Amino acid sequence: DIQMTQSPSSLSASVGDRVTITCRASQTISSYLNWYQQKSGKAPKLLIYAASSLQSGVPSRFSGSGSGTDFTLTISSLQPEDFASYYCQQSYSTPITFGQGTRLEIK
Amino acid sequence: EVQLVESGGGLVQPGRSLRLSCTASGFTFGDYPMSWFRQAPGKGLEWVGFIRSKAYGGTIEYAASVKGRFTISRDDSKSLAYLQMNSLKTEDTAVYYCTRTVGDENYFDYWGPGTLVTVSS
Repeated sequence: DIQMTQSPSSLSASVGDRVTITCRASQTISSYLNWYQQKSGKAPKLLIYAASSLQSGVPSRFSGSGSGTDFTLTISSLQPEDFASYYCQQSYSTPITFGQGTRLEIK
Repeated sequence: EVQLVESGGGLVQPGRSLRLSCTASGFTFGDYPMSWFRQAPGKGLEWVGFIRSKAYGGTIEYAASVKGRFTISRDDSKSLAYLQMNSLKTEDTAVYYCTRTVGDENYFDYWGPGTLVTVSS
């Protein structure tokens, strides 16, 4: 199985901050990396697919980069509605696996 | 508008069975693979399995943790996906989500709100 490791596990930031979350795969996954946002009590929401493609309707302050084993999700200017948990997910091979999540909290 | 709604969750005793349904609307259901995920209370996301579209043979894959106990199926005529869960264990307690799956890239662009399954005596 491909292990996905996210860092940090939690993060405190302020509105307007630039935030970066990283995700590392235990083996190369090309660009088969997706990012999701999950708010408390809600289903996950797709933000980024194929490492850097912005899902329709997602604000442009979200961006993704990377290939191979190392990936990043960047939020260029945090908005109040961005405080949530974020998960990376590899779709290179089954079993589909997720990172453990990053909880983004208000400082 | 694409919509997915899970149903069938509830409280069940260990060793018993439960069937979840996922009702889809707003897209051509038969054209898409469908997947199931779960999230135990306070924990991260876990893939349960998926079923490919008929065009790709309708093949099914499962996570090791549920293989042999859970069965995924679909009824394209009714835009329904199912998750049959047998021999339930306390560790199967979770919110279960169904998702629309995008082809070869295997990303999940629409999720239902989830249904809670609690396995307890």
